[in-house]
Amino acid sequence: EDQVTQSPEALRLQEGESSSLNCSYTVSGLRGLFWYRQDPGKGPEFLFTLYSAGEEKEKERLKATLTKKESFLHITAPKPEDSATYLCAVQAPGSGGSNYKLTFGKGTLLTVNP
Amino acid sequence: SAVISQKPSRDICQRGTSLTIQCQVDSQVTMMFWYRQQPGQSLTLIATANQGSEATYESGFVIDKFPISRPNLTFSTLTVSNMSPEDSSIYLCSVPVRGADTQYFGPGTRLTVL
Repeated sequence: EDQVTQSPEALRLQEGESSSLNCSYTVSGLRGLFWYRQDPGKGPEFLFTLYSAGEEKEKERLKATLTKKESFLHITAPKPEDSATYLCAVQAPGSGGSNYKLTFGKGTLLTVNP
Repeated sequence: SAVISQKPSRDICQRGTSLTIQCQVDSQVTMMFWYRQQPGQSLTLIATANQGSEATYESGFVIDKFPISRPNLTFSTLTVSNMSPEDSSIYLCSVPVRGADTQYFGPGTRLTVL
């Protein structure tokens, strides 16, 4: 069974204090790893797709990296508007019939204080 | 990017009743997905809805409890039947991102069952 574990569950940073979020996964036949941002009361917003170990993607203050067992979301000099829940998901051949099934972690709640 | 709307945005329902959630997309898509996000839990795929065929349900989800309709390429409904407090959750629909392996999500429907 595919598993995704995110840590920490919650992270509180001061504005400008860089840090990283972790996503470790166990999956057979990884097709892709995805990072999403979710604000309260809203659906997840797509951030990055990573396909192979060693791959990196960047967007503003965020940088996602991938190894064979885990992914990191690095946040450089965060601002209060970066506060959100960050979700990690993996895609593998579906167990119930969907070839597009995403398996999500529980997320990391990031709070950036001014 | 696709624009996805859901109705209702939230509802409070009595035990034993049913609620139908609507999902509307601004472009034609072959597949639509329905997810559940229970408090403190990860987003979990309920089923994949293809236009013109029966929905494909993931392990642990059954058609009698979560019947799905897909009358055309821009619309789908999910019904939560014979509700109990354990069905209190956020329900989200999503569609594939064209040219990528990930999905765009709607804003979600927050359901509370008393």
